[in-house]
Amino acid sequence: QSVLTQPPSVSGAPGQRVTISCTGSSSNIGAGYDVHWYQHLPGTAPKLVIFSNTNRPSGVPDRFSGSRSATSASLAITGLQSEDEADYYCQSFDTSLTGYGYVVFGGGTKLTVL
Amino acid sequence: QVQLQQWGAGLLKPSETLSLTCAVYGGALSGYSWSWIRQPPGKGLEWIGEIIRGGGTSYSPPLESRATISTGRSENQFSLSLTSVTAADTATYFCVVRPLTAYYMEVWGKGTTVTVSS
Repeated sequence: QSVLTQPPSVSGAPGQRVTISCTGSSSNIGAGYDVHWYQHLPGTAPKLVIFSNTNRPSGVPDRFSGSRSATSASLAITGLQSEDEADYYCQSFDTSLTGYGYVVFGGGTKLTVL
Repeated sequence: QVQLQQWGAGLLKPSETLSLTCAVYGGALSGYSWSWIRQPPGKGLEWIGEIIRGGGTSYSPPLESRATISTGRSENQFSLSLTSVTAADTATYFCVVRPLTAYYMEVWGKGTTVTVSS
């Protein structure tokens, strides 16, 4: 069971907008730790698409955007394209089990482009 | 541009020790943390731990008793050792670098598939 909760799957038609939620708690997102998002295609290395809640790395289309609230975060993809079909993971930092904290991931969301 | 090259044994028997090494090219030797992350088949990503050159290490609580991350003979290499493996340790293992100023994983290795089977 992942520390951060994501929906197992979302879907949308080409051109549509989809959002993927990431729900945490007071020991991670709620404690002020940033949320980051990765796109993962099977057989490849995950790719950072949003860092520090809202920032896009160079080369990531502006169709990708991130937001964060009290204990949750969201990844939005507009103008959906077939190449966006992948697994998406949120990631943050948690201090519930140790004094020094550790990196935590969501369980992942499979995005299907219909 | 930072690139990571990783290698290690891909098939282990239960109770053996997993050993993987990662080489960092193109920078990220200072100001970065070096990590290992894994993905079991059909499951999500799991952070194993990290090392900071000249600093210390930190590990995921469930793996802390079995995992050791260390720097290698070369200044641009780091390794993962995971003792007493079981079938549950079957996964693709990625080496990753992140900037010390933030906790996002900036550059990933291609991954090494490790299978534990008798």
